Amino acid sequence: SAVISQKPSRDICQRGTSLTIQCQVDSQVTMMFWYRQQPGQSLTLIATANQGSEATYESGFVIDKFPISRPNLTFSTLTVSNMSPEDSSIYLCSVDPRIVTGGSYNEQFFGPGTRLTVL
Amino acid sequence: KQEVTQIPAALSVPEGENLVLNCSFTDSAIYNLQWFRQDPGKGLTSLLLIQSSQREQTSGRLNASLDKSSGRSTLYIAASQPGDSATYLCAVYAGGGNKLTFGTGTQLKVEL
Repeated sequence: SAVISQKPSRDICQRGTSLTIQCQVDSQVTMMFWYRQQPGQSLTLIATANQGSEATYESGFVIDKFPISRPNLTFSTLTVSNMSPEDSSIYLCSVDPRIVTGGSYNEQFFGPGTRLTVL
Repeated sequence: KQEVTQIPAALSVPEGENLVLNCSFTDSAIYNLQWFRQDPGKGLTSLLLIQSSQREQTSGRLNASLDKSSGRSTLYIAASQPGDSATYLCAVYAGGGNKLTFGTGTQLKVEL
């Protein structure tokens, strides 16, 4: 398994500002993922963050709005830019430690999430 | 496009009852299926992972089954407790970049 921490755990922000969310993993992982969970909804994948390359974004999500950094194998950041109330969500990072640990099964582990409220 | 549905959307049961949560998916070409638990305002806790070649997995009072050909999975919770109250999510992995597709969730409340 993997232990994942996120900062901040929650924040209240003003419209038009930006917030950077940090995700730290206790072991090296190749692939990290960022998800959004809007109120009352299930999880939607924003992007896959690979170390040493550009993030891969899902349909409906763009780099200008959600820039991602992945400076090493244990850390990633997601920035929510030029925020509006529609960005109010829980943002979660997850990892698949399989490739580094040599396991044979794909199993994802999630961080505790960042609850964002935009006024 | 893979779609994952969970029934029921909400469930309230008295403590001690055995219960079944359902998950269905439209594309049976999956590698595995994962069940998660989410407490209000929190992240996800992985409960069980079933590979496509497996029929079921067990952990404590939890048992998950998979019928890949019919696109269904069930999560069985035995002797439910108030601490089991949470939202339960299933997610399928069908390859292509390790992307998980999540279901809509079942919100469970176990009452004293």
